[in-house]
Formats: sequence, C-alpha cells, structure tokens
Amino acid sequence: KNQVEQSPQSLIILEGKNCTLQCNYTVSPFSNLRWYKQDTGRGPVSLTIMTFSENTKSNGRYTATLDADTKQSSLHITASQLSDSASYICVVASGGSYIPTFGRGTSLIVHP
Amino acid sequence: DAGITQSPRHKVTETGTPVTLRCHQTENHRYMYWYRQDPGHGLRLIHYSYGVKDTDKGEVSDGYSVSRSKTEDFLLTLESATSSQTSVYFCAISESKGTGGTNEKLFFGSGTQLSVL
Repeated sequence: KNQVEQSPQSLIILEGKNCTLQCNYTVSPFSNLRWYKQDTGRGPVSLTIMTFSENTKSNGRYTATLDADTKQSSLHITASQLSDSASYICVVASGGSYIPTFGRGTSLIVHP
Repeated sequence: DAGITQSPRHKVTETGTPVTLRCHQTENHRYMYWYRQDPGHGLRLIHYSYGVKDTDKGEVSDGYSVSRSKTEDFLLTLESATSSQTSVYFCAISESKGTGGTNEKLFFGSGTQLSVL
C-alpha cells in the first residue's frame, strides 16, 4: 500500500528562524512529489514539484530536496515569516495512477 | 486562484437528511476530486472523476455518491447525513498530460464546512 509519512506533526518556531520538514514515502512506481501549503480556512496550494531526477529545487525561501534512493524529501524554510504559519502537505504521485497519495501534513506556527 | 467554486461554503444539517455539495470549475480540466479533511487524518479521497459520467470510489466512499453530468460540475451527495460526516470538504481539479498519470498539480477549492447535528 502506498504511504506518505510526514514529521514532525507540528512545529513552533520564532520568526526569522529556519526549519526543515520531512516526508518519507513508499509509493511505487514513483512519478513526482509535491509540497503543498495550506493556510487556515483555505485549500492547499502547490509550492513545488520534485521529479525523479531532481535533488534540490528552490521557490523563494522554500527549498525542497529529494532523495529517490532513500525515498525521502524535505522542505526547508529559511528566515521564517509569520505568513509561513500553515500546514505543509507532502503529496506523492504514482505513474499511471489518477490518485496521488497524501501525507497528513505538518502544522507550522511561526511566533513573533 | 484557479476557477473553482464550491457551494455552499458552510452548511448545518440534521442527521438523516440528504445533502448535496457542488463543485464548479471554469478550467475545463478533466479530473475532479472530492476530499474530506479531518484533524489527525489529513485529506482523504472520497470519490473522483476522470471524465463526464466517469467516476470511481476513493478510500472513504461509504455514505457518499457523486455525479458528473458536465465537465464543469461535480456533485457530492451525502445520502443520509451522519454526525461522522461532519468535516471540511474540498474539491480539487487537475489536468493530466502525457501518459495519464497524475503528473499535474491539484488545484483546490476553498472548502465547504459541513456540520451534521
């Protein structure tokens, strides 16, 4: 069964600090991995996509990494801002399937 | 934001009553999905559609039915609402390219908060 596990479940940091969120997956065959950001009361929005051949990709202060051998991904947030407070969801797509597999998300709270 | 509208945004209903949630898109995307989101469970797939009148079950489909008579509309019906169906419901759409896998990103609506009393 395809699974996506995220850690930590929740995280509280001070504004300006960095943090790293983790995603481990057992999805086969692997197609791609996306990180979504979900603000309170809104639907998730895609931050970045990682394909098999990509190791690192940045989107502003967000940097995602992928290790396809160990089936792990991370999302690093640099110089956090209050607006980074949200849930971050890791979603893995399987080749030839309509249905991606969702992690349960990491809830990030950034305090001033 | 992608052109996805969910209605209603909030609904309170009583146990045993039927409820229909609507998802309308203006993107002409082929794939549409209904998810529910609950604390501790994340987003779970209820039903999805891969074309007009083509639908299939997700992991938590019991007690739900769907219909898609037009590309732009995907309806979710709770046949007889129960308190366990109190949740936030999200519609999503995607446009697949290539070999048919979900290589494209999902665009989500703003959600419907449903309370079953």
